[in-house]
Amino acid sequence: SYDLTQPPSVSVSPGQTASITCSGDKLGHKYVSWYQQKPGQSPVLLIYEDKKRPSGIPERFSGSNSGNTATLTIGGTQVLDEADYYCQTWDSSNYVFGSGTEVTVL
Amino acid sequence: QVQLQESGPGLVKPSQTLSLTCSVSGGSISSGAYYWNWIRQPVGKGLEWIGYIYYSRSTSHTNYNNTLRSRISISADPVKNQISLNLNSVTVEDTAVYYCARDYGDPWYFHLWGRGSLVIVSS
Repeated sequence: SYDLTQPPSVSVSPGQTASITCSGDKLGHKYVSWYQQKPGQSPVLLIYEDKKRPSGIPERFSGSNSGNTATLTIGGTQVLDEADYYCQTWDSSNYVFGSGTEVTVL
Repeated sequence: QVQLQESGPGLVKPSQTLSLTCSVSGGSISSGAYYWNWIRQPVGKGLEWIGYIYYSRSTSHTNYNNTLRSRISISADPVKNQISLNLNSVTVEDTAVYYCARDYGDPWYFHLWGRGSLVIVSS
């Protein structure tokens, strides 16, 4: 089965840039999506097709994907960005999620 | 605005069948434009895709997670505008929040989620 690896946690100071990586074999050949999940809430789509933002998602969220690594970047991180973040792709007719990254803003 | 609402028993005994329903409001599951998914999340853990059903007035098909395939059944009721999940032979490992989610198909991402339904497997 296909595996996506994310760091368990990332810490960032308010106003700084946070980068969350998602690694998988030849991941750059696949589309990657990113979701934000706050405690007690459902996941929310942040990024799809590697770098596209749905309407209503702030511009400070951006994505890239190349080689074996996709990256979600949060520019000018705000306290309200504290959440779990999951990457996701499609492989062998199955959806695959990353293990998730907890972002702490302090 | 389309909304998804999961419902079902909050408690299931080991070895029994977990049954959940996703009620869709504001749009038809028979439009043929979407795939209707089930995803679960054990408390404090990550997301796991369970499977989907594609349903239109002329055809339907399902696709399941390879690791859960033998225990899963997903179906659609166009009259009630609902999607259902049956997961049999449950164990405590199946305790999780179960989400209903919608996607467009290729390129495969979930743009709409329900609020989730917690199911606890316990005797």
